[in-house]
Amino acid sequence: SQQGEEDPQALSIQEGENATMNCSYKTSINNLQWYRQNSGRGLVHLILIRSNEREKHSGRLRVTLDTSKKSSSLLITASRAADTASYFCATVLNNAGNMLTFGGGTRLMVKP
Amino acid sequence: DVKVTQSSRYLVKRTGEKVFLECVQDMDHENMFWYRQDPGLGLRLIYFSYDVKMKEKGDIPEGYSVSREKKERFSLILESASTNQTSMYLCASLGQLGDTQYFGPGTRLTVL
Repeated sequence: SQQGEEDPQALSIQEGENATMNCSYKTSINNLQWYRQNSGRGLVHLILIRSNEREKHSGRLRVTLDTSKKSSSLLITASRAADTASYFCATVLNNAGNMLTFGGGTRLMVKP
Repeated sequence: DVKVTQSSRYLVKRTGEKVFLECVQDMDHENMFWYRQDPGLGLRLIYFSYDVKMKEKGDIPEGYSVSREKKERFSLILESASTNQTSMYLCASLGQLGDTQYFGPGTRLTVL
């Protein structure tokens, strides 16, 4: 079974609104990463948050991590049509730090 | 910028054919990965390599093999392609342990 599970599976909003996606995981992690995938393309890394961090910002992105609840959220503020994509969370599980486990993703559609 | 390239964007093969998917990265990364992505199943790790000639099985290695003869190149081999191997294949490389993975654009393989 997947380590990370995104919620919701799909989200449709209007341009200018905020989009919030959640990720839950099952076991202890070293860090949690968020990736974006445009349709039919490879994944692009967005942001990495380490297990000792609670919040991180990058431009219009805000990521939180709650290790007690084993959950993370990705907030995209003032969304744009170009933000339409699938968003995945991924966790580093092993001590070697070279294995990621991905969730099933949230499909975000931002309507102009 | 890290560049990860994959030999083909689209590939159509017949059942029983031997298929080679090539991945090349230009950042001298030690770790490279092959994933497959299917609707509703997210990304699943097939194999990864942490050094030249070194490999480890991921979650779904059955029906696949890999080759890492040079640091920059990681090949995924389908010895005898089957229809259930129709999928999107994504290659990634990793620099520092616990850091982000850099993905190629993906190869959409169809096995008829």
